[in-house]
Amino acid sequence: EAQVTQNPRYLITVTGKKLTVTCSQNMNHEYMSWYRQDPGLGLRQIYYSMNVEVTDKGDVPEGYKVSRKEKRNFPLILESPSPNQTSLYFCASSWRVGRELFFGEGSRLTVL
Amino acid sequence: AQKITQTQPGMFVQEKEAVTLDCTYDTSDQSYGLFWYKQPSSGEMIFLIYQGSYDEQNATEGRYSLNFQKARKSANLVISASQLGDSAMYFCAMREDDMRFGAGTRLTVKP
Repeated sequence: EAQVTQNPRYLITVTGKKLTVTCSQNMNHEYMSWYRQDPGLGLRQIYYSMNVEVTDKGDVPEGYKVSRKEKRNFPLILESPSPNQTSLYFCASSWRVGRELFFGEGSRLTVL
Repeated sequence: AQKITQTQPGMFVQEKEAVTLDCTYDTSDQSYGLFWYKQPSSGEMIFLIYQGSYDEQNATEGRYSLNFQKARKSANLVISASQLGDSAMYFCAMREDDMRFGAGTRLTVKP
């Protein structure tokens, strides 16, 4: 089954404790992206990647890191999480030039 | 930079009636795609419909149609014969290289 898989789905952590949200897709998509969703703000792009070893900042990259060492994986790293990073996070992938994004199920992160 | 505007934070519609969700966008590119996604209360993002900037006909997918007015830079979603299961958040999005989203419209279908 074609899918985008994120883990963990739910996480409560404390300020400053490094965490990684993994994202993996099995559709051989070149493009992958991370978004955060906050009430009234829609989905805002954090980082995106056009291909392996190619990443670019989105609209809200501060406090986040990403890497794209393999085509299928695009982890999101919070080196020192803060409460303002409490949010619902989505990973998505697609063909590089084209059409709809395929989304993961979302990861709800709470930073205390 | 791209910008997507959804001016209706919330909308109500009576079951079986049609509803239009507004979306305007801003871009200087000639080639782009327009999308609508649905997010039910369970949280997943569901792709509904796509319109390419060069497509001359409005896109349709079942009860969903996209009213594309290129000169006005609008891409409104029309849902016909609303059902209770249509109650959800709806996001408009535009893609050039990467995809950006509007703030969303919460649609509530009343029985």
